Amino acid sequence: GDSVTQMEGPVTLSEEAFLTINCTYTATGYPSLFWYVQYPGEGLQLLLKATKADDKGSNKGFEATYRKETTSFHLEKGSVQVSDSAVYFCALKDQGGKLIFGQGTELSVKP
Amino acid sequence: GAVVSQHPSRVICKSGTSVKIECRSLDFQATTMFWYRQFPKKSLMLMATSNEGSKATYEQGVEKDKFLINHASLTLSTLTVTSAHPEDSSFYICSAKTASGTDTQYFGPGTRLTVL
Repeated sequence: GDSVTQMEGPVTLSEEAFLTINCTYTATGYPSLFWYVQYPGEGLQLLLKATKADDKGSNKGFEATYRKETTSFHLEKGSVQVSDSAVYFCALKDQGGKLIFGQGTELSVKP
Repeated sequence: GAVVSQHPSRVICKSGTSVKIECRSLDFQATTMFWYRQFPKKSLMLMATSNEGSKATYEQGVEKDKFLINHASLTLSTLTVTSAHPEDSSFYICSAKTASGTDTQYFGPGTRLTVL
C-alpha cells in the first residue's frame, strides 16, 4: 500500500540555520502531498501542500517541491526561528481520499 | 480558522473499564470526522471515518466492537474504547472536514489514554 517515510528526529538547529526535513513516498498514481505541523499542545495544522508534479507549496517561509522522479517532497526553510520548534508530518492523500502520514520529525530550534 | 477540540486531553483508567473521548468542531459543521491513533515515534494511523447520522467506516484490522464511534451531530463525534487493556494505551487524534466542500481536515489536539 501507499506509504510515507520521513527522516528521523529529533532535529536540533540553532536559530537562523537552514532546515531540510526529508520525505519520500510510495504511492499508486500521483497523490497530493502535504506537510502538517503540530505545535506543543495543539492539533496538526496544514502547513503547505502540492497537488501535482513540480508544484511548489510554500507558507511561512517553508517550501516543498513535488518531485515525481525521486518521489520526494522535502521540506525546507532558509532561516529557522525558535517559534518553528514543533513536530512536522509529511503526508499523502491516497486514491481513496485518505491521508497517509509519515512518522513525524521533531524540530527543536535553540536561540 | 476552524477549531477542533478534544476532551479529555489525557485519561488514565483501569483495565476492563470503558473510556469515552469527545471530538467537537467549535466553529463549523463537520459532516465527516476521522479518528486516528498514534504510537510513540510512529505515524498517525487512520482508525475510522464517521459521517453524521450514519455508521462509521472502520479501517482493516480495527475492531469495531472495541472502538465504538458515534457521530450524532454535525459538531460532535465520540470514540469509546470498551473494556480497555494496556495495549490500548495510545494517543488518539480526531479530525473534521467541513460541509463546505473543501477537502481540508482540521485536527484536534489529541487525547492521551493510559490503561493500567
